[in-house]
Amino acid sequence: GAVVSQHPSWVICKSGTSVKIECRSLDFQATTMFWYRQFPKQSLMLMATSNEGSKATYEQGVEKDKFLINHASLTLSTLTVTSAHPEDSSFYICSASYIGTLAEAFFGQGTRLTVV
Amino acid sequence: KQEVTQIPAALSVPEGENLVLNCSFTDSAIYNLQWFRQDPGKGLTSLLLIQSSQREQTSGRLNASLDKSSGRSTLYIAASQPGDSATYLCAVGVGGNEKLTFGTGTRLTIIP
Repeated sequence: GAVVSQHPSWVICKSGTSVKIECRSLDFQATTMFWYRQFPKQSLMLMATSNEGSKATYEQGVEKDKFLINHASLTLSTLTVTSAHPEDSSFYICSASYIGTLAEAFFGQGTRLTVV
Repeated sequence: KQEVTQIPAALSVPEGENLVLNCSFTDSAIYNLQWFRQDPGKGLTSLLLIQSSQREQTSGRLNASLDKSSGRSTLYIAASQPGDSATYLCAVGVGGNEKLTFGTGTRLTIIP
């Protein structure tokens, strides 16, 4: 299957700082990537759809000014958590797919964010 | 709004047994359904993808079925092994744009 790489795998930051998470498709081009968030013992919730070359589409209730998404190339999307607070501590994970996989989603390994 | 439910939430079975995990969804207008495995603190590993026009998919000891009209899917694991211990998630896709709605997950423990 296709490989999606996410970096960093974990990060600890202080309240008020910003954190950038990268999601890369290593062996294919992805015009669309998705960002999910998973709180402890809960399932994944879609945050936003990242579109190459255009603005991201955010799900209801997700603050676009707080979670900045940039999809600068066909292989890279970034999620920046701005002015992070302890309640932003969560597991963030991205997915991507490409034409020919019948919309099969491939996921990165996730990023554990802890805000102290 | 699509809602996906998985039952049971947790399951423990002795090694070697066959088992079935269940997934139900409220809106039958799906594009596909995907089963994933998630180990603690890790990302997701895709196990099986079933297109809406298909009834089942098989990979090794895993078999997934789909009954779109009744809004149900099952994941059958044969001859379970301790290494199968993980959380299993099902997710449905709508519209072919790879955006997924996830189920609540089943935490599976295989007892050696």
